[in-house]
Amino acid sequence: EVQLVESGGGLVQPGGSLRLSCAASGFTFSSYWMNWVRQGPGEGLEWVASIKRDGSEKHYVDSVKGRFTISRDNAKNSMYLQMDSLRAEDTAVYYCASHDQFDYWGQGTLVTVSS
Amino acid sequence: QSVLTQPPSASGTPGQRVTISCSGSSSNIGRNPVSWYQQLPGTAPKLLIYSNNQRPSGVPDRFSGSKSGTSASLAISGLQSEDEADYYCAAWDDSLNGRWVFGGGTKLTVL
Repeated sequence: EVQLVESGGGLVQPGGSLRLSCAASGFTFSSYWMNWVRQGPGEGLEWVASIKRDGSEKHYVDSVKGRFTISRDNAKNSMYLQMDSLRAEDTAVYYCASHDQFDYWGQGTLVTVSS
Repeated sequence: QSVLTQPPSASGTPGQRVTISCSGSSSNIGRNPVSWYQQLPGTAPKLLIYSNNQRPSGVPDRFSGSKSGTSASLAISGLQSEDEADYYCAAWDDSLNGRWVFGGGTKLTVL
């Protein structure tokens, strides 16, 4: 059974940093693209970033380029999102989603950016 | 303003057939497969349709997807109360060095 478990969310002040983690199990982690998708309060889904199987290719939504960094550790079956220079508009539930068409999703972790 | 356009709401009575549209462009739906997601209240999204019209195992055949040109549709037949949820379409977009784009979501109400 595929399982994705996010962690690392919380309350942070504007300009601060946070590192999200996604622990994966139940599939061959190194064989699939991995993704972060977020959902602001009362809003729709917004893709944030994707990383290729071996980490050699990364894509970001324009609004986070230069501030967020996606990475993965295939030996630990884990993916990460380093979020720097956080803004109020980054407040959202952040979901980890696996496979090429977001086949599987975690339960999400809430990030709140507020003073 | 989402890159993919969906109606904000849809509704139907139990047993009816409803369709939800998703309109895009040549850089996304026009050249890449479309997927659909169901998000029940208070839960994470779930893959409903992939590669335009394929259902993952466990998804009832009441759900079907189609694509034509730069638009796609999700159809739900034999509507049930438990289908009340938000539905999102998504596709890879080849512009701007590549990105995933989602529709704004459609809230389906079962009357």
